Amino acid sequence: EPEVTQTPSHQVTQMGQEVILRCVPISNHLYFYWYRQILGQKVEFLVSFYNNEISEKSEIFDDQFSVERPDGSNFTLKIRSTKLEDSAMYFCASSDAGDQPQHFGDGTRLSIL
Amino acid sequence: AQSVSQHNHHVILSEAASLELGCNYSYGGTVNLFWYVQYPGQHLQLLLKYFSGDPLVKGIKGFEAEFIKSKFSFNLRKPSVQWSDTAEYFCAVSRHQAGTALIFGKGTTLSVSS
Repeated sequence: EPEVTQTPSHQVTQMGQEVILRCVPISNHLYFYWYRQILGQKVEFLVSFYNNEISEKSEIFDDQFSVERPDGSNFTLKIRSTKLEDSAMYFCASSDAGDQPQHFGDGTRLSIL
Repeated sequence: AQSVSQHNHHVILSEAASLELGCNYSYGGTVNLFWYVQYPGQHLQLLLKYFSGDPLVKGIKGFEAEFIKSKFSFNLRKPSVQWSDTAEYFCAVSRHQAGTALIFGKGTTLSVSS
């Protein structure tokens, strides 16, 4: 079964640094998403991406965050000037057109020191 | 704004016991409903989904869920749990439109003892 793959599995970064989280969605999927889960809290939606542009974003997804599909396979989340509270598990997901469910990757655990 | 409530934070059952996990959502429009499961060390996996039609939906591994529109509920059930069902279970809702955000509940941890 095709999978969403995320790298790295764990990223440790100093506060104030920039970090890029990478995802390879399922190849024929059209919609791409980022979610995060702070330890002990619920999974929260960050952003969705379709046709090379952001289609929806949450209040969390402020100017500190950006997404990009730099080529035909990767989907990245960039976090600038990281803060301690950005420490979380970040999940990438993708879905096909129409009423199709989202498929999730294993996540990247981001630790800000 | 949409929201999802899962009533049980941690459920502990013995093998062969029946399971029901509660989920209520808040949204005025047409929704898609989902249950995802996360086994220890693994990614979120879809258990079952409801988009339209028969409100009783069957998913993988013997799970089912019933959509009761009047109660804004989508409870998950399994008649007889197994030790391998130990995992975290998430209820989620999205607008009835392709590519929209999933709004998750806080999750329920299920521990099944053998």
